Amino acid sequence: GNSVTQMEGPVTLSEEAFLTINCTYTATGYPSLFWYVQYPGEGLQLLLKATKADDKGSNKGFEATYRKETTSFHLEKGSVQVSDSAVYFCALSDLSGGSNYKLTFGKGTLLTVNP
Amino acid sequence: EAQVTQNPRYLITVTGKKLTVTCSQNMNHEYMSWYRQDPGLGLRQIYYSMNVEVTDKGDVPEGYKVSRKEKRNFPLILESPSPNQTSLYFCATQFWGAGDFDTQYFGPGTRLTVL
Repeated sequence: GNSVTQMEGPVTLSEEAFLTINCTYTATGYPSLFWYVQYPGEGLQLLLKATKADDKGSNKGFEATYRKETTSFHLEKGSVQVSDSAVYFCALSDLSGGSNYKLTFGKGTLLTVNP
Repeated sequence: EAQVTQNPRYLITVTGKKLTVTCSQNMNHEYMSWYRQDPGLGLRQIYYSMNVEVTDKGDVPEGYKVSRKEKRNFPLILESPSPNQTSLYFCATQFWGAGDFDTQYFGPGTRLTVL
């Protein structure tokens, strides 16, 4: 079956530091890949996505590139801010098994950015 | 404004007392889904619905029921809640059409405690 493995953290950084959160996946078909963010006390929001190999998703200074050869979708940001403190989830959606648009999530990575 | 709403947001109940968590969306999305989020496990799908009167089990359906009588609503029913159903629940919706077809939109979450 499909699975997503991501750095579990927690990750603690100082403001303006470089961020990488690793994510690798296993899928039977050709999945779409996502990063969702959950701010404290809130629901999940889509941060960025990529739907095919070599696509780069980007939003709010975050980037991730869909690497089919390494089955990876690592999240990066060049300079984090305190407001980036949140839980980050890597996820995939794979329709090859049928019509369920189920998202398969990693376990989440808690990021804390200190001033 | 595009919205997915859930009610209640917080609920404390006792074992065996039937409860319903409502989910409503105003985006005319065909697909709706329920997930539960537990520490260290990420999000796991409970049930999903491809359209009105079409529902199916996700990965962890035991102890839950759903119905889809109208396109906009997808309630989650716990007929006899147990403490192992203490969790954070999210409703999600998705559009089938072209363009943003693979992005799921999440509600704000319902934190359920079963004593």
